[in-house]
Amino acid sequence: SAVISQKPSRDICQRGTSLTIQCQVDSQVTMMFWYRQQPGQSLTLIATANQGSEATYESGFVIDKFPISRPNLTFSTLTVSNMSPEDSSIYLCSVEGYTGGSYNEQFFGPGTRLTVL
Amino acid sequence: QKEVEQDPGPLSVPEGAIVSLNCTYSNSAFQYFMWYRQYSRKGPELLMYTYSSGNKEDGRFTAQVDKSSKYISLFIRDSQPSDSATYLCAMSAATDSWGKLQFGAGTQVVVTP
Repeated sequence: SAVISQKPSRDICQRGTSLTIQCQVDSQVTMMFWYRQQPGQSLTLIATANQGSEATYESGFVIDKFPISRPNLTFSTLTVSNMSPEDSSIYLCSVEGYTGGSYNEQFFGPGTRLTVL
Repeated sequence: QKEVEQDPGPLSVPEGAIVSLNCTYSNSAFQYFMWYRQYSRKGPELLMYTYSSGNKEDGRFTAQVDKSSKYISLFIRDSQPSDSATYLCAMSAATDSWGKLQFGAGTQVVVTP
Protein backbone atom coordinates (compact mmCIF):
# COMPACT_ATOMS: atom_id res chain seq x y z
CA SER A 1 0.00 0.00 0.00
CA ALA A 2 0.97 3.65 -0.30
CA VAL A 3 0.54 6.33 2.33
CA ILE A 4 -0.20 9.76 0.92
CA SER A 5 -0.23 13.07 2.72
CA GLN A 6 -1.48 16.38 1.41
CA LYS A 7 -0.89 19.94 2.52
CA PRO A 8 -2.81 22.00 3.33
CA SER A 9 -5.75 19.93 4.51
CA ARG A 10 -8.02 22.91 3.97
CA ASP A 11 -7.84 26.56 3.06
CA ILE A 12 -10.04 29.57 2.50
CA CYS A 13 -8.80 31.86 -0.24
CA GLN A 14 -9.80 35.09 -1.90
CA ARG A 15 -10.75 35.13 -5.56
CA GLY A 16 -7.94 36.03 -7.91
CA THR A 17 -5.27 34.42 -5.76
CA SER A 18 -3.48 31.10 -6.25
CA LEU A 19 -3.00 28.10 -3.97
CA THR A 20 -0.39 25.36 -4.26
CA ILE A 21 -1.31 21.94 -2.91
CA GLN A 22 1.43 19.49 -2.01
CA CYS A 23 1.26 15.72 -2.27
CA GLN A 24 3.84 13.47 -0.60
CA VAL A 25 3.99 9.68 -0.99
CA ASP A 26 5.89 7.31 1.28
CA SER A 27 7.28 5.28 -1.65
CA GLN A 28 8.51 5.95 -5.15
CA VAL A 29 5.79 5.88 -7.77
CA THR A 30 5.82 6.46 -11.48
CA MET A 31 2.46 8.04 -11.98
CA MET A 32 0.60 10.46 -9.77
CA PHE A 33 -2.89 11.74 -10.42
CA TRP A 34 -4.78 14.82 -9.39
CA TYR A 35 -8.57 14.71 -9.00
CA ARG A 36 -11.23 17.23 -8.17
CA GLN A 37 -14.31 16.36 -6.14
CA GLN A 38 -16.95 19.05 -6.33
CA PRO A 39 -19.98 18.94 -4.01
CA GLY A 40 -22.53 16.43 -5.22
CA GLN A 41 -20.45 15.54 -8.25
CA SER A 42 -18.17 12.68 -9.17
CA LEU A 43 -14.42 12.61 -8.73
CA THR A 44 -12.96 14.05 -11.91
CA LEU A 45 -9.42 13.48 -13.11
CA ILE A 46 -7.58 16.76 -13.69
CA ALA A 47 -4.22 15.49 -14.90
CA THR A 48 -1.65 12.73 -14.76
CA ALA A 49 1.85 13.63 -13.62
CA ASN A 50 4.86 11.52 -14.56
CA GLN A 51 8.23 12.36 -13.12
CA GLY A 52 10.46 14.05 -15.65
CA SER A 53 7.79 14.94 -18.18
CA GLU A 54 4.99 17.41 -18.68
CA ALA A 55 1.70 16.58 -17.02
CA THR A 56 -1.10 15.30 -19.22
CA TYR A 57 -4.35 17.19 -18.76
CA GLU A 58 -7.87 15.90 -19.25
CA SER A 59 -10.44 17.64 -21.37
CA GLY A 60 -11.64 20.81 -19.69
CA PHE A 61 -8.46 21.36 -17.67
CA VAL A 62 -5.53 23.48 -18.82
CA ILE A 63 -2.00 23.97 -17.62
CA ASP A 64 -2.37 27.73 -17.13
CA LYS A 65 -5.15 27.17 -14.63
CA PHE A 66 -3.76 24.03 -12.95
CA PRO A 67 0.03 23.96 -13.29
CA ILE A 68 1.57 20.79 -11.91
CA SER A 69 5.11 20.01 -10.85
CA ARG A 70 6.62 16.56 -10.37
CA PRO A 71 10.22 17.07 -9.26
CA ASN A 72 10.82 13.51 -8.03
CA LEU A 73 9.18 10.10 -7.59
CA THR A 74 7.58 10.85 -4.22
CA PHE A 75 6.29 14.41 -4.54
CA SER A 76 3.99 16.55 -6.67
CA THR A 77 2.25 19.91 -6.45
CA LEU A 78 -0.94 21.21 -8.00
CA THR A 79 -1.52 24.95 -8.19
CA VAL A 80 -5.01 26.35 -8.59
CA SER A 81 -4.44 29.72 -10.27
CA ASN A 82 -6.50 32.88 -10.39
CA MET A 83 -9.16 31.26 -8.27
CA SER A 84 -12.89 31.91 -8.48
CA PRO A 85 -15.69 30.56 -6.26
CA GLU A 86 -16.28 27.83 -8.88
CA ASP A 87 -12.90 26.36 -7.89
CA SER A 88 -14.22 25.58 -4.42
CA SER A 89 -13.79 21.85 -4.21
CA ILE A 90 -11.83 19.01 -2.68
CA TYR A 91 -8.60 18.26 -4.53
CA LEU A 92 -7.16 14.78 -4.17
CA CYS A 93 -3.85 13.27 -5.10
CA SER A 94 -3.63 9.59 -5.94
CA VAL A 95 -1.03 7.03 -6.96
CA GLU A 96 -1.02 3.51 -8.31
CA GLY A 97 0.32 0.77 -6.13
CA TYR A 98 1.28 -2.66 -7.33
CA THR A 99 -0.58 -5.24 -5.25
CA GLY A 100 0.51 -8.37 -7.07
CA GLY A 101 -2.73 -8.94 -8.92
CA SER A 102 -4.01 -7.97 -12.32
CA TYR A 103 -5.12 -4.60 -11.10
CA ASN A 104 -2.95 -1.85 -9.69
CA GLU A 105 -4.90 -0.36 -6.84
CA GLN A 106 -5.20 3.39 -6.67
CA PHE A 107 -4.48 4.98 -3.33
CA PHE A 108 -5.84 8.40 -2.49
CA GLY A 109 -4.64 11.12 -0.22
CA PRO A 110 -6.99 12.67 2.35
CA GLY A 111 -7.73 15.63 0.08
CA THR A 112 -7.42 19.40 0.33
CA ARG A 113 -10.69 21.21 0.96
CA LEU A 114 -10.58 24.56 -0.81
CA THR A 115 -13.11 27.35 -0.36
CA VAL A 116 -12.84 30.44 -2.56
CA LEU A 117 -14.65 33.58 -1.42
CA GLN B 1 -25.45 12.18 -20.30
CA LYS B 2 -22.84 11.21 -17.73
CA GLU B 3 -20.75 8.13 -18.46
CA VAL B 4 -21.45 6.74 -14.99
CA GLU B 5 -24.71 7.28 -13.13
CA GLN B 6 -25.10 6.68 -9.42
CA ASP B 7 -27.94 7.62 -7.10
CA PRO B 8 -26.54 10.04 -4.51
CA GLY B 9 -28.87 8.91 -1.73
CA PRO B 10 -28.77 9.24 1.19
CA LEU B 11 -29.64 5.62 1.80
CA SER B 12 -30.59 4.96 5.41
CA VAL B 13 -30.83 1.39 6.72
CA PRO B 14 -31.07 -0.18 10.17
CA GLU B 15 -28.11 -2.10 11.53
CA GLY B 16 -28.05 -5.67 10.26
CA ALA B 17 -29.90 -4.92 7.04
CA ILE B 18 -28.56 -5.51 3.55
CA VAL B 19 -27.32 -2.43 1.75
CA SER B 20 -27.81 -2.48 -2.01
CA LEU B 21 -25.93 0.00 -4.19
CA ASN B 22 -25.73 0.24 -7.94
CA CYS B 23 -24.37 2.18 -10.89
CA THR B 24 -25.18 2.26 -14.55
CA TYR B 25 -22.80 3.23 -17.30
CA SER B 26 -22.84 3.97 -20.99
CA ASN B 27 -19.31 3.19 -22.21
CA SER B 28 -19.08 -0.41 -23.37
CA ALA B 29 -15.27 -0.17 -23.30
CA PHE B 30 -15.22 -0.31 -19.50
CA GLN B 31 -13.64 -3.57 -18.34
CA TYR B 32 -12.59 -2.91 -14.76
CA PHE B 33 -15.16 -2.03 -12.15
CA MET B 34 -14.35 -0.80 -8.68
CA TRP B 35 -16.12 0.18 -5.50
CA TYR B 36 -14.53 2.72 -3.21
CA ARG B 37 -15.59 3.72 0.28
CA GLN B 38 -15.05 7.28 1.44
CA TYR B 39 -15.45 8.36 5.03
CA SER B 40 -16.09 11.99 5.79
CA ARG B 41 -12.99 14.16 5.28
CA LYS B 42 -10.97 11.18 4.05
CA GLY B 43 -9.82 10.02 0.64
CA PRO B 44 -11.55 7.10 -1.08
CA GLU B 45 -10.25 3.61 -0.32
CA LEU B 46 -10.69 0.62 -2.57
CA LEU B 47 -13.19 -1.98 -1.37
CA MET B 48 -13.40 -4.33 -4.31
CA TYR B 49 -12.66 -4.58 -7.98
CA THR B 50 -14.04 -6.87 -10.66
CA TYR B 51 -12.79 -7.56 -14.11
CA SER B 52 -15.48 -7.94 -16.79
CA SER B 53 -18.77 -9.61 -15.83
CA GLY B 54 -19.51 -11.79 -12.86
CA ASN B 55 -19.71 -11.80 -9.09
CA LYS B 56 -17.05 -11.36 -6.45
CA GLU B 57 -17.42 -11.84 -2.74
CA ASP B 58 -15.21 -10.58 0.06
CA GLY B 59 -16.52 -11.08 3.55
CA ARG B 60 -19.74 -9.11 3.93
CA PHE B 61 -19.31 -7.45 0.53
CA THR B 62 -20.47 -8.79 -2.84
CA ALA B 63 -19.86 -7.03 -6.12
CA GLN B 64 -21.77 -7.89 -9.27
CA VAL B 65 -21.18 -6.79 -12.83
CA ASP B 66 -23.64 -7.25 -15.67
CA LYS B 67 -21.95 -5.90 -18.78
CA SER B 68 -24.91 -6.78 -21.01
CA SER B 69 -27.06 -4.38 -19.01
CA LYS B 70 -24.18 -1.97 -18.22
CA TYR B 71 -25.08 -2.29 -14.54
CA ILE B 72 -22.96 -2.95 -11.48
CA SER B 73 -23.98 -3.56 -7.89
CA LEU B 74 -22.49 -3.72 -4.42
CA PHE B 75 -24.22 -5.52 -1.58
CA ILE B 76 -23.26 -5.16 2.06
CA ARG B 77 -24.64 -7.86 4.32
CA ASP B 78 -25.16 -7.49 8.05
CA SER B 79 -24.53 -3.77 7.81
CA GLN B 80 -22.83 -2.02 10.74
CA PRO B 81 -22.80 1.63 11.82
CA SER B 82 -19.13 1.64 10.78
CA ASP B 83 -20.31 1.06 7.20
CA SER B 84 -21.79 4.56 7.19
CA ALA B 85 -19.86 6.30 4.42
CA THR B 86 -20.12 7.39 0.83
CA TYR B 87 -19.67 4.58 -1.68
CA LEU B 88 -18.26 5.43 -5.08
CA CYS B 89 -18.33 3.22 -8.11
CA ALA B 90 -15.50 3.64 -10.60
CA MET B 91 -14.68 2.15 -13.97
CA SER B 92 -11.80 1.92 -16.35
CA ALA B 93 -11.40 0.89 -19.94
CA ALA B 94 -8.75 -1.72 -20.58
CA THR B 95 -6.96 0.61 -22.95
CA ASP B 96 -6.70 3.41 -20.42
CA SER B 97 -3.96 3.83 -17.91
CA TRP B 98 -4.95 2.69 -14.49
CA GLY B 99 -5.36 6.24 -13.33
CA LYS B 100 -8.08 7.13 -15.77
CA LEU B 101 -11.01 6.12 -13.68
CA GLN B 102 -14.53 7.32 -14.33
CA PHE B 103 -16.37 7.74 -11.05
CA GLY B 104 -20.00 7.86 -10.11
CA ALA B 105 -21.13 10.72 -7.88
CA GLY B 106 -21.25 8.45 -4.85
CA THR B 107 -24.09 7.16 -2.67
CA GLN B 108 -24.18 8.24 0.96
CA VAL B 109 -25.08 5.34 3.23
CA VAL B 110 -26.22 5.76 6.82
CA VAL B 111 -26.53 2.65 9.01
CA THR B 112 -28.50 3.40 12.15
CA PRO B 113 -27.99 1.38 15.35
